[in-house]
Amino acid sequence: EIVLTQSPGTLSLSPGERATLSCRASQSVSSSYLGWYQQKPGQAPRLLIYGTSNRATGIPDRFSGSGSGTDFTLTISRLEPEDFAVYYCQHYGSSPPYTFGQGTRLEIK
Amino acid sequence: EVQLVESGGGLVQPGGSLRLSCAASGFIVSSNYMSWVRQAPGRGLEWVSLIYSDGSTYYADSVKGRFTISRDNSKNTVYLQMNSLRAEDTAVYYCGRDLGAVAGTSAFDVWGQGTMVTVSS
Repeated sequence: EIVLTQSPGTLSLSPGERATLSCRASQSVSSSYLGWYQQKPGQAPRLLIYGTSNRATGIPDRFSGSGSGTDFTLTISRLEPEDFAVYYCQHYGSSPPYTFGQGTRLEIK
Repeated sequence: EVQLVESGGGLVQPGGSLRLSCAASGFIVSSNYMSWVRQAPGRGLEWVSLIYSDGSTYYADSVKGRFTISRDNSKNTVYLQMNSLRAEDTAVYYCGRDLGAVAGTSAFDVWGQGTMVTVSS
């Protein structure tokens, strides 16, 4: 079973700064099956990135994804007030089909 | 508009049963991979169950033998039958569509608003 470990657990930044969130897999995974989600309190998750680096429909270009093998990154180039939320990475594999990371909370400094 | 709407959550005693529904609009459920994902209060996301377009089903170990995923193509709806419920099943349950059936990749691109299940005496 693949385990996804996200770091840091909490990231404190100010609007306008750059955010770098990490997702490390316990073994090498296909970059086609790595995604990122944003979740705000009381809301369902929202897809940001699929296939490691593809932005979902309607996602601003300040969000970008990269990585390969076991190390993947979500970068928010310039934080807007609405970007402060919890972020999850997710992998699709075989058994179990889906795994989520534990989440990174991005909070206002 | 592409949309998922869950229903059926509520308060149930330990050992009880509930059936959740996820009604889709704007796309055909049977042509897609559909999952249930849950989130316990204050916790992260946990995948629960998947039904592929070919009808094959998969379950997380934590619910295997107790939960059953199914779909009704005529109603364009996915269900989650939950039996032998435990306190640790308390969570918001979301249904989600995986774009993988048509895109050659995988991610949940459409989510419902969630339905709360509380297991307590």
